[in-house]
Amino acid sequence: ETGVTQSPTHLIKTRGQQVTLRCSSQSGHNTVSWYQQALGQGPQFIFQYYREEENGRGNFPPRFSGLQFPNYSSELNVNALELDDSALYLCASSSEPGANYGYTFGSGTRLTVV
Amino acid sequence: GENVEQHPSTLSVQEGDSAVIKCTYSDSASNYFPWYKQELGKGPQLIIDIRSNVGEKKDQRIAVTLNKTAKHFSLHITETQPEDSAVYFCAASSPLRKFYFGSGTKLNVKP
Repeated sequence: ETGVTQSPTHLIKTRGQQVTLRCSSQSGHNTVSWYQQALGQGPQFIFQYYREEENGRGNFPPRFSGLQFPNYSSELNVNALELDDSALYLCASSSEPGANYGYTFGSGTRLTVV
Repeated sequence: GENVEQHPSTLSVQEGDSAVIKCTYSDSASNYFPWYKQELGKGPQLIIDIRSNVGEKKDQRIAVTLNKTAKHFSLHITETQPEDSAVYFCAASSPLRKFYFGSGTKLNVKP
């Protein structure tokens, strides 16, 4: 059973650019959630995808968008990057939106905006 | 929305001592409270969790207590070891499993 994998592991972008981060969910998991973790802070919920539809969103602007594919992998897209978008972006998968267990995090993508 | 506060932000203990980390939450609808351990360069790993219908749960050296009335929950680590050194996060979750995390506690276990 493979875990949650994220790519790339590190990324440097310039302010104003766009970025796409990728996540492959754990085998058997159909729900993917994305979190932003600023340095020294706890992760903050961005949004959740279930069966290719957005299933809840945190307090992030529309320039943060996502996709989930039929194989349940997911992408996080951020447009018009700002310096404050620099953070660790975490993806977590679970077997269903309301699952109590098996909520598995990937190791994250470290995004630096310069 | 939910607000989770976590204390202390840093905790230093001697190997073999106990460590306690405390969290409070604001939303009475939250019903699931996991604790995560995050090591440098890695994603958070679930170490123990508790549901709102349970007051205490133990797994070897780790235990979690929940007081629904006071809206607080705590992580207890006994007989700490150097490999317990990491950042620990508490979280509170709505039925949607939208997790609200505390700000983290950096635990340092001195050999």
